[in-house]
Amino acid sequence: EDQVTQSPEALRLQEGESSSLNCSYTVSGLRGLFWYRQDPGKGPEFLFTLYSAGEEKEKERLKATLTKKESFLHITAPKPEDSATYLCAVTPNYGGSQGNLIFGKGTKLSVKP
Amino acid sequence: KAGVTQTPRYLIKTRGQQVTLSCSPISGHRSVSWYQQTPGQGLQFLFEYFSETQRNKGNFPGRFSGRQFSNSRSEMNVSTLELGDSALYLCASSRKTGDADTQYFGPGTRLTVL
Repeated sequence: EDQVTQSPEALRLQEGESSSLNCSYTVSGLRGLFWYRQDPGKGPEFLFTLYSAGEEKEKERLKATLTKKESFLHITAPKPEDSATYLCAVTPNYGGSQGNLIFGKGTKLSVKP
Repeated sequence: KAGVTQTPRYLIKTRGQQVTLSCSPISGHRSVSWYQQTPGQGLQFLFEYFSETQRNKGNFPGRFSGRQFSNSRSEMNVSTLELGDSALYLCASSRKTGDADTQYFGPGTRLTVL
């Protein structure tokens, strides 16, 4: 069964304290892996798309990496405004439609000043 | 460029009623997907539409249905509402289907069933 597991469920950091969020996946063929950020009461905001093992993408204090079994979201010197729930999702390699994103439960990040 | 819009933003219904939610995708996007988000189950895929055709469907009962219009706008309908249908319903659009194209989400419709 296709599955996405994120850890930890919650993470508390001090401002400036770097850390990583983990997303491990079991899927029958991976077409793409996506990272989203979600603030309370809002829809997920797109961050990164990764397609193949070894790929890395960066945006401001965030860096996403991908291996054959997992992805990491590295947060360097976080600020309080980085506080949010970070969601990982995969698109399996089924024939036909790719509209089916399989999501993990998310990591709730809190950054204290 | 305007993002995905969803209406209404909030709804309160009672058990047994039906509800229709609306989604307008980003201009130029032809694929629309719907998701249900609850604290216990997280985000779960409902269905995807492309060129007015349902391309994929998640594991939800037949009470959940949807459609897409020629301008790519989409609606989803839930009939005979149950308490467990209370959730945030999210719509996402992407340019195309058949590829791992990025999906962009709207703000969601918060449905409360009493």
